[in-house]
Amino acid sequence: GAGVSQSPRYKVAKRGQDVALRCDPISGHVSLFWYQQALGQGPEFLTYFQNEAQLDKSGLPSDRFFAERPEGSVSTLKIQRTQQEDSAVYLCASSSPEGFTEAFFGQGTRLTVV
Amino acid sequence: AQTVTQSQPEMSVQEAETVTLSCTYDTSESDYYLFWYKQPPSRQMILVIRQEAYKQQNATENRFSVNFQKAAKSFSLKISDSQLGDAAMYFCAYRSGAGSYQLTFGKGTKLSVIP
Repeated sequence: GAGVSQSPRYKVAKRGQDVALRCDPISGHVSLFWYQQALGQGPEFLTYFQNEAQLDKSGLPSDRFFAERPEGSVSTLKIQRTQQEDSAVYLCASSSPEGFTEAFFGQGTRLTVV
Repeated sequence: AQTVTQSQPEMSVQEAETVTLSCTYDTSESDYYLFWYKQPPSRQMILVIRQEAYKQQNATENRFSVNFQKAAKSFSLKISDSQLGDAAMYFCAYRSGAGSYQLTFGKGTKLSVIP
């Protein structure tokens, strides 16, 4: 695609509900990243994929967070039993296989847990 | 662990004037990259400028330039001839030359442009 596409753009979840956030990276991009951006803060790293392999998940805040990229393209970030502190913008980024010179970001999903 | 500090939560500049946004970072690595990203209200992070640590020459992209002081671990962004469209959040970011290539961001500076 022309850019990184994320859906939905907005999600309101009741506390305790499970949510799934989708990221469609730029075609051919090997690397895919998820970031969490709390209100008024900079993005914080959650996890990294190279193709379908999740090489780094050190930023996932709890075992309620789970990410997958089964075919090496589209990725899903799943949050189970959402809590109020999960309210944030979730950003996805992808980069090309020729070495990382620039990460291209999507417009993010704003998650509000009520 | 690497840290990135942006000490100016908010800045303002008159249209057509010049403004400098500050960023400092802490690392023990010798191979790394530094970035400035712009985030407008649409939330999409847009790369403004990139600097490789091994390059002594400061990067320049049209009206945007950096002052990279490696010994002082300082990486400031200068915006010349400011335009209304420059108004946004600006984030300084660090990336290691190895590992998972994740970006470490500062907390951001909100730039307002006064007509």
